[in-house]
Amino acid sequence: NAGVTQTPKFQVLKTGQSMTLQCAQDMNHEYMSWYRQDPGMGLRLIHYSVGAGITDQGEVPNGYNVSRSTTEDFPLRLLSAAPSQTSVYFCASSFRGQAISGANVLTFGAGSRLTVL
Amino acid sequence: GQNIDQPTEMTATEGAIVQINCTYQTSGFNGLFWYQQHAGEAPTFLSYNVLDGLEEKGRFSSFLSRSKGYSYLLLKELQMKDSASYLCAVRVLLSGNTPLVFGKGTRLSVIA
Repeated sequence: NAGVTQTPKFQVLKTGQSMTLQCAQDMNHEYMSWYRQDPGMGLRLIHYSVGAGITDQGEVPNGYNVSRSTTEDFPLRLLSAAPSQTSVYFCASSFRGQAISGANVLTFGAGSRLTVL
Repeated sequence: GQNIDQPTEMTATEGAIVQINCTYQTSGFNGLFWYQQHAGEAPTFLSYNVLDGLEEKGRFSSFLSRSKGYSYLLLKELQMKDSASYLCAVRVLLSGNTPLVFGKGTRLSVIA
């Protein structure tokens, strides 16, 4: 099993450019989420999804869009990149039942490091 | 809003015991988690508490007091490989769902 796969691992953008961070999992997890991690700020939740066709906002959703057309994929879109979006982005998933109760053991991708100039 | 507080940095000696505290004030509570994150890597799950008390797993133990909004992670017989960031996370109630919200993390340095 590949687990959670994120692409690209590194990306440099210019202000105003758009791009999509890809996230795919092969564990049949219903729950998927995106976090960003900045020095001194910890992991902050951007968007999450409890199943195909369902998405919701987290703590810091502004400037990001998501969609969930399949169980496996949960792409994160930056429509007009800004320097404040320079960060390391993590995608994480789990079974939905675990997301509601019990040990919500999130499986994380390896991360995508984005720099916006 | 959600507020989860942890110390920013801690230093401890190899072979010793260290306690990392976490306090939280969140919109609802449905479980507290500890994750370990080595530099440049993704977080990995360590422990989970939903009821008051102590959960022990080898060299690691985690404690929860829901009435005080308080948890700690206890690491015994510290090893150099335990040098990492330790992330406290709370499953909160948000828009009818229960996502995981993280604190800022505690960077632990283990010295010889």
